[in-house]
Amino acid sequence: GAGVSQSPRYKVAKRGQDVALRCDPISGHVSLFWYQQALGQGPEFLTYFQNEAQLDKSGLPSDRFFAERPEGSVSTLKIQRTQQEDSAVYLCASSSRRDGYTFGSGTRLTVV
Amino acid sequence: AQRVTQPEKLLSVFKGAPVELKCNYSYSGSPELFWYVQYSRQRLQLLLRHISRESIKGFTADLNKGETSFHLKKPFAQEEDSAMYYCALASGTYKYIFGTGTRLKVLA
Repeated sequence: GAGVSQSPRYKVAKRGQDVALRCDPISGHVSLFWYQQALGQGPEFLTYFQNEAQLDKSGLPSDRFFAERPEGSVSTLKIQRTQQEDSAVYLCASSSRRDGYTFGSGTRLTVV
Repeated sequence: AQRVTQPEKLLSVFKGAPVELKCNYSYSGSPELFWYVQYSRQRLQLLLRHISRESIKGFTADLNKGETSFHLKKPFAQEEDSAMYYCALASGTYKYIFGTGTRLKVLA
């Protein structure tokens, strides 16, 4: 595709519910990243994939967060048993080399 | 610790006035720095990176290693420059550390 596509754009989840956020990167981009952006803050790194390999998941805040990219293209960020503090915008970005990320529009998650 | 600091949450200037958005960083290695911009209802996008030494939309930023700064400047602000600006530091080969952002408002 022409850009990084994320879905859904908005998600409201009841506390305790599981959610899955999808990212479709730019075709051919090897690197894929997930960031979390809380209100009034800058994006914070969650995890990094190179093709299907998750090379860094040091930013995932808890074991309730899980990300996968099984075929090296589309990625899913899953959050189990959502909590209010998970409310944020989740940004996906892809990159073909280190010339800067291309971000998606993000998914705004609200946990009520 | 690796850190990016943007001290101003909001910066308001009049159209035609000079703009300087401040960014300071803390990094032990050789830094690579970026400015990202987010216009209203649009996605975060790269504005410029220090190694390119380019001017985009009239904006420039110079890396000052002595002052550990990477301030974004424009001599004459335009209303369409109103946006959220984030300074980012490449930590290692792929991870970025972002500042908290500065909202620029250019007043008519």
